[in-house]
Amino acid sequence: DTGVSQDPRHKITKRGQNVTFRCDPISEHNRLYWYRQTLGQGPEFLTYFQNEAQLEKSRLLSDRFSAERPKGSFSTLEIQRTEQGDSAMYLCASSLGDRGTKNIQYFGAGTRLSVL
Amino acid sequence: KQEVTQIPAALSVPEGENLVLNCSFTDSAIYNLQWFRQDPGKGLTSLLLIQSSQREQTSGRLNASLDKSSGRSTLYIAASQPGDSATYLCAPLSGGSSNTGKLIFGQGTTLQVKP
Repeated sequence: DTGVSQDPRHKITKRGQNVTFRCDPISEHNRLYWYRQTLGQGPEFLTYFQNEAQLEKSRLLSDRFSAERPKGSFSTLEIQRTEQGDSAMYLCASSLGDRGTKNIQYFGAGTRLSVL
Repeated sequence: KQEVTQIPAALSVPEGENLVLNCSFTDSAIYNLQWFRQDPGKGLTSLLLIQSSQREQTSGRLNASLDKSSGRSTLYIAASQPGDSATYLCAPLSGGSSNTGKLIFGQGTTLQVKP
């Protein structure tokens, strides 16, 4: 296993379309996180999962956004009716657990979304 | 609400210099703090993680310190190299002893090391 994998790397869509991103975490990592990063800013937390349970969602995650991790392995992030303000890099991270060094978050390369 | 500030926002140094990047955070009830590196258009690479009970952590030419009570962390880079050019981000993990899993990031320090 080479790390956190995200697909696609780039997505260009027209305003109003729906898009879905996928994240495959490192094997055995039970925690999975989604962040969003706009140009010149640090990443902002969106949501995270412990196995298949979604434990926290940011207020940034409007009702147009939904995230799932159905079997506690890969996760999907869907954005419905995309808006130009959704253009950003969407980053996924995973960690082994919540104690000590198990809490280190490893990031994927991200999916860059451009909404025209 | 946790807020993270990184100073300076940008830094340009000649190769070989030692340098210090600063990170301050408003809520000292953190579980740990991570320093990351980000190359342009890429994801984040974890550099160091400091537990709330630790004061320092070292990896190669990197040394990170943590003063939780004053809400400060520093990343020291020794003998800088052009390959160190990147954006450096600090991220405390909020929640104190109840780990929420949420990293709060600063805006980063963009470092350029000139040959």
